[in-house]
This record gives sequence, structure tokens and C-alpha cells, in this order.
Amino acid sequence: AQTVTQSQPEMSVQEAETVTLSCTYDTSESDYYLFWYKQPPSRQMILVIRQEAYKQQNATENRFSVNFQKAAKSFSLKISDSQLGDAAMYFCAYSLSGYGGATNKLIFGTGTLLAVQP
Amino acid sequence: GAGVSQSPRYKVAKRGQDVALRCDPISGHVSLFWYQQALGQGPEFLTYFQNEAQLDKSGLPSDRFFAERPEGSVSTLKIQRTQQEDSAVYLCASSRLSNTEAFFGQGTRLTVV
Repeated sequence: AQTVTQSQPEMSVQEAETVTLSCTYDTSESDYYLFWYKQPPSRQMILVIRQEAYKQQNATENRFSVNFQKAAKSFSLKISDSQLGDAAMYFCAYSLSGYGGATNKLIFGTGTLLAVQP
Repeated sequence: GAGVSQSPRYKVAKRGQDVALRCDPISGHVSLFWYQQALGQGPEFLTYFQNEAQLDKSGLPSDRFFAERPEGSVSTLKIQRTQQEDSAVYLCASSRLSNTEAFFGQGTRLTVV
């Protein structure tokens, strides 16, 4: 069974600084996706960044980037130039590719609550 | 619509009561997922629809939980004889195809008293 582990329940960062959130996962599959989602108090999950397992290049979206280590099954999120609006719960998630009839349901970690200090 | 819409936003039910939670996906989205998020936890998969077909219901915790999507658009998650452990946020997500980005609604917070 696939599992996702986030070992940091809470993190704090100063505004304009950089913070890294950790995530490890376990799977025997070779074709899958990894995600970071942001959940503010409004509860709506917002996709931050997505990585396809077959791509060696780390995904980047503006101030957000990942460090994807496939062999180590590690997928960390780096937030640069942190802003007050980045404060939220962050979830790491995994899904199969969806090809071949497999349900590409998301499997989530337990989340990391990020506080941004002004 | 512009996004995934869920109603009601909040629901308080007495133990033993039946509830129905509605999800209006983004127009044209084929795939629809339901997740249950307990307090302080990540969401957990409940069930998956492709159009009107329920292709995966492996996450439904008991036979008190039932979901439908009869016309391939709006979906309803029904919980019969609610129990306290059913208290959670229920999230709905839709995507254009099975392997494209899923968009989430704001969820329904269910409290069973």
C-alpha cells in the first residue's frame, strides 16, 4: 500500500526567508505523481506544485520548488521569499498515473502547518 | 460554474439522523472524487466517479455511506444513521480527465451531536 509521511507537524518562517517542508512516501509503483497542496482556513485545497515521477527535473512554480529524490522516495517543498499569504496547512500527496484503469485518487500526508512571522 | 461548489457548508446532525451532502463539479469535468478529512488529519479517499459510473468505492467506511452521480454531473454523498465518528469535513474534487489536475470545493463540515 502507498503511504505518505510528513514528519513536521508545524513549521515557522520569517517573512522573506526560505523554508523547506519535508515529505517521504512509500510505493512499489514506478509511474506516479506527487503533489503539494495548500489548505488555508477556508478549507479549499489549492494545488501548489506537481511532479511526475518519470521526470528527473524538479518542478518549479514561481517561489515554489521541489527536491524530488526518487530513489530515496523523498519529495520536499521549498518556499522562497515567504509571504504572509503563504501561511496555511500544507499537504504532500501521491497518486497513481491513472493509466490502465487505476484510480488516480490522492493519498495525503498528515500535513504541516506553516506560520509566517512578519 | 467557476469552481466546485459544495452544500451545505456546515451541517449539524443528531446521532442517528440521515444526511445528504451535495457536490456541483466544474462543468464538463468527467472525474469526481469524495474525501473525508477528520480534524487535524489529511483527507482520505472515499469514492470515485467517472461520469455516472462509480468506479471505486473502496474508501467508503461502512454500508451507511452511499454516493451517487446519476447524470454524470452533480453528486450526492449520503450518510445514514450518522454516528459521532462521522464528524469531519467532506471534500469533493473534480477533474477534466482522470489524470489531470483535480479542483477541490470548500467542503462540508459535518458535526454529529
